[in-house]
Amino acid sequence: QQQVKQSPQSLIVQKGGISIINCAYENTAFDYFPWYQQFPGKGPALLIAIRPDVSEKKEGRFTISFNKSAKQFSLHIMDSQPGDSATYFCAASKVISGSRLTFGEGTQLTVNP
Amino acid sequence: DSGVTQTPKHLITATGQRVTLRCSPRSGDLSVYWYQQSLDQGLQFLIQYYNGEERAKGNILERFSAQQFPDLHSELNLSSLELGDSALYFCASSPRASTGELFFGEGSRLTVL
Repeated sequence: QQQVKQSPQSLIVQKGGISIINCAYENTAFDYFPWYQQFPGKGPALLIAIRPDVSEKKEGRFTISFNKSAKQFSLHIMDSQPGDSATYFCAASKVISGSRLTFGEGTQLTVNP
Repeated sequence: DSGVTQTPKHLITATGQRVTLRCSPRSGDLSVYWYQQSLDQGLQFLIQYYNGEERAKGNILERFSAQQFPDLHSELNLSSLELGDSALYFCASSPRASTGELFFGEGSRLTVL
C-alpha cells in the first residue's frame, strides 16, 4: 500500500529558479516528515525534516511547507543550482514505531546552468 | 560519507542462486534497516533489526532473510533469486529504535541474469 504519493516524477528547472516537489500522505498517525537527497551512485541522505507541530521549516535554500489538514507537504529549493541535480524522496514515519520510513516514489530534479 | 559500509558494491549472479549482502552500521548505531530500491517501486522497506533482534518487517519475501550479529553488523540473504530481484539494496542505520533520521550506505547493486 503506497501511503506517500510524490509528484512530479521529474522536474527541470533553470539555474536560479525555484524547484517545488509535493507529497501527500494518508496515514494521519505519521509524525515525522523528512526529505532525502540522493546523488547517482550514492545512498539517500537526510536533507531536511519537519514535525507536524510546525507549518514551515527553512534551512538555507531548502524549505519544507507542511499542511496538516490537507495531509500534504512540499519541498521548495530556492535559487536552484546545478549541484542540486539529484533525486529527492519525501518520506513519512511514526517515530514511536521505530522509524519505519515510508518513501515517496522520488523526483528526479535537473537544474540546467 | 555516512559511516555505513555495504559490501559488495556490485554483484552479478544467475537465477536460482543465493547471495549475501553485508552491512556495517555507523559506530554506536544499534538499529539496522534494509531497503530495496528498484526503478518501478522506489525505496521499499524490507526489515529492521535493533540490537540483534528483529524489530519490524516490511515487504520482505520469504526467500529473503536477514540477521544482525552481536557486533551489530547485518547480513541480508537472498535465495532462489529471480530476475525481478535485480535492484539496489540499501542498508541504513540509526542510533536508536525510534528515531526518524536514517544514515544510508551506498548500496549493493544486484543483477540477476
